[in-house]
Amino acid sequence: AAGVIQSPRHLIKEKRETATLKCYPIPRHDTVYWYQQGPGQDPQFLISFYEKMQSDKGSIPDRFSAQQFSDYHSELNMSSLELGDSALYFCASSPGQGNTEAFFGQGTRLTVV
Amino acid sequence: AQKITQTQPGMFVQEKEAVTLDCTYDTSDPSYGLFWYKQPSSGEMIFLIYQGSYDQQNATEGRYSLNFQKARKSANLVISASQLGDSAMYFCAMSAGWSGSARQLTFGSGTQLTVLP
Repeated sequence: AAGVIQSPRHLIKEKRETATLKCYPIPRHDTVYWYQQGPGQDPQFLISFYEKMQSDKGSIPDRFSAQQFSDYHSELNMSSLELGDSALYFCASSPGQGNTEAFFGQGTRLTVV
Repeated sequence: AQKITQTQPGMFVQEKEAVTLDCTYDTSDPSYGLFWYKQPSSGEMIFLIYQGSYDQQNATEGRYSLNFQKARKSANLVISASQLGDSAMYFCAMSAGWSGSARQLTFGSGTQLTVLP
């Protein structure tokens, strides 16, 4: 079965650079969530989209932005990267907002040097 | 606001034995969902099991079962017949909103399970 696809799997950036993370949800899933998991931390919710509209916002820095496109894939744009942005970034998808499962991608490991 | 508490930072279990991972939660929302995820050292987050707040029966998925005690606000994960491949970090999580919603998840701090041969 198709799963949530995230790219790239690994990314190394320097401070003050920008990064774009991509997420391709499971087919027919119209809801996408982004989470950030720092080293040794639990995942923290950043932002979510339903039917290409932002539906919820968590602890997402102003330097980050995200959107969901017409094909339901989503991109997380991160600018002016800081060392503290080094983390595992997960995308999850679900079919609609009223569902019992949220399937996660394998994550993008971002390292800021 | 929702809060998930996992009080066991680490657990050890002998292969083929059962193990219970504790999870307590706090929410003022009458409708919520409880999830368990497994995170191996490779990093991916694997969905294991879900329990809705209005579900009458405890959820089961193969060797995984969720011991849901609503009055105690606990949602413990029971893994039967542990296997070496079960060694991983296990996260309990809660969703806000209407029953069955997979809206944003609030995670606990996780329990690192090690299965011993």
